Amino acid sequence: KAGVTQTPRYLIKTRGQQVTLSCSPISGHRSVSWYQQTPGQGLQFLFEYFSETQRNKGNFPGRFSGRQFSNSRSEMNVSTLELGDSALYLCASSETPNTEAFFGQGTRLTVV
Amino acid sequence: TQLLEQSPQFLSIQEGENLTVYCNSSSVFSSLQWYRQEPGEGPVLLVTVVTGGEVKKLKRLTFQFGDARKDSSLHITAAQPGDTGLYLCAGLITNNNDMRFGAGTRLTVKP
Repeated sequence: KAGVTQTPRYLIKTRGQQVTLSCSPISGHRSVSWYQQTPGQGLQFLFEYFSETQRNKGNFPGRFSGRQFSNSRSEMNVSTLELGDSALYLCASSETPNTEAFFGQGTRLTVV
Repeated sequence: TQLLEQSPQFLSIQEGENLTVYCNSSSVFSSLQWYRQEPGEGPVLLVTVVTGGEVKKLKRLTFQFGDARKDSSLHITAAQPGDTGLYLCAGLITNNNDMRFGAGTRLTVKP
């Protein structure tokens, strides 16, 4: 069974631009969560989707948004990028909310 | 303040030594998971513990869930350089069903 796939692996953007990251969960998993990881803050929860509905949201500004499609694939979008948005963005999938989560390799976003 | 406190934050030891890292909270968890993360990669799930007092072994790794389900420990016997990584604990909070991560323990095992 294929694991969680995140694309792209690496991304460089300039301040003010927007970016869309993609996550394909493990087949059969309907819950997808997104996290931001930085050296200073550790793993910070962004949002969780289940059956195309946002179930939970972390403490991030409205520039961070996401969605989930009927095939459980998920995207997250960050608009008006800031230097501080540089981080490893991780996606985790699970069969249902708050069951064992399996992570993708992440997308390394660098904002210059 | 992190809901889950992991200690120590950093640990550097020689190959062959034993070590224990801790994950503590004042909250009660329905379950707790341990992950290992290598640089530039996503966390990899090692184990899930569910029952208070539960002990699980994975080769040289021993995981224990506290009786009150508020804390957990990970013990590594005869550490090897391949054990190097960031060890994260994550707990499912009983009263609101939210999953929260600790900041991690960064372990370095020197050959």
